[in-house]
Amino acid sequence: ETGVTQTPRHLVMGMTNKKSLKCEQHLGHNAMYWYKQSAKKPLELMFVYSLEERVENNSVPSRFSPECPNSSHLFLHLHTLQPEDSALYLCASSLDRVREKLFFGSGTQLSVL
Amino acid sequence: QQQVKQSPQSLIVQKGGISIINCAYENTAFDYFPWYQQFPGKGPALLIAIRPDVSEKKEGRFTISFNKSAKQFSLHIMDSQPGDSATYFCAASITGSARQLTFGSGTQLTVLP
Repeated sequence: ETGVTQTPRHLVMGMTNKKSLKCEQHLGHNAMYWYKQSAKKPLELMFVYSLEERVENNSVPSRFSPECPNSSHLFLHLHTLQPEDSALYLCASSLDRVREKLFFGSGTQLSVL
Repeated sequence: QQQVKQSPQSLIVQKGGISIINCAYENTAFDYFPWYQQFPGKGPALLIAIRPDVSEKKEGRFTISFNKSAKQFSLHIMDSQPGDSATYFCAASITGSARQLTFGSGTQLTVLP
């Protein structure tokens, strides 16, 4: 077990729904990340939080809204998604934002109908 | 623009054989090169990493070979086992900047029994 837990594991939503993905890390890390994984593509970094402050937003559409209430929890709020947003969404953490070793959760497999 | 190019996309190897996955990078500022292993239904996990001050790093059956002048690095899995069947991602970053970790597109390895 990596110490990074993501829920739900699977999510099917319509284009007009609002849902949230949750990530919790039990490693005492201070940096957390959202990645998007699509088939046969490199992992795409979406957001980075360090000590609860967002430090990176890689031109992600506004229909994805992150929230980091404390250093152990990270959310990704979803609304009015498009079918092309269907992917595996991975949460990761690291000791801090300069340490390169990432610890990933198992991901949420999202399908947008 | 993809900064880390990974090949092959898929690889089938017989048990006991050698698996070789290659990556090439463009940014000469990269100085940290990890490999991540991902099993189905799980998130990626750090397998082995190298910095350019050495040309090779070995951990058990896994070896990274690094060629700084060619801007290439590769993962060699000796005595490949069915349990090694997974997707492997190479990555590159600049030391001190975890958010700059750039991933390759992945190689799906199947080791036949």
